[in-house]
Amino acid sequence: AQTVTQSQPEMSVQEAETVTLSCTYDTSENNYYLFWYKQPPSRQMILVIRQEAYKQQNATENRFSVNFQKAAKSFSLKISDSQLGDTAMYFCAFMNPGRGNKLVFGAGTILRVKS
Amino acid sequence: DAGVTQSPTHLIKTRGQQVTLRCSPKSGHDTVSWYQQALGQGPQFIFQYYEEEERQRGNFPDRFSGHQFPNYSSELNVNALLLGDSALYLCASSLEGNNQPQHFGDGTRLSIL
Repeated sequence: AQTVTQSQPEMSVQEAETVTLSCTYDTSENNYYLFWYKQPPSRQMILVIRQEAYKQQNATENRFSVNFQKAAKSFSLKISDSQLGDTAMYFCAFMNPGRGNKLVFGAGTILRVKS
Repeated sequence: DAGVTQSPTHLIKTRGQQVTLRCSPKSGHDTVSWYQQALGQGPQFIFQYYEEEERQRGNFPDRFSGHQFPNYSSELNVNALLLGDSALYLCASSLEGNNQPQHFGDGTRLSIL
């Protein structure tokens, strides 16, 4: 079974600085997808960034980028120029397309951006 | 373009009761998935519906059942409620097929007394 581990329950960062959230996963599959979702207090789960395992290039979306290390099964999220609106719970998630598109989530990391 | 909508937003029930939660998918989406998110935890996959059939199911008891209607909307039913069923229930919709991004609703907060 696939598992996703987020070892940092809470993180904090000063506004405008950079922060990295960690995620590791366990799978025997070679083809899969990894995601970072953001869940603010409003509760809605928002897709931040997505990475296909077959792509060596790390995904980037504006201030958000990932460091995907397939051999180490690591998938960290870097947030640059942190903004107050980035304060939220961040979830790392895994999907094996061979088993439908259900998402397997980690336990989450609370990120607080301080002014 | 309406996103995923869920109703009600908050619900309070007592042990042993039954509950029905509703979800309307994002316009154009035909696949609906349900997740349970206990307080302080990540969401856990309950099941997924496509073409009015349950296509995939997570590790949840038969007390959890669902339905998808011809207009792609969906219901989640939970019977014989337990205190441990207290959670945020999230609905996500997508287009059919692997690698389709899932769009989430705001969830229904279910509290069991």
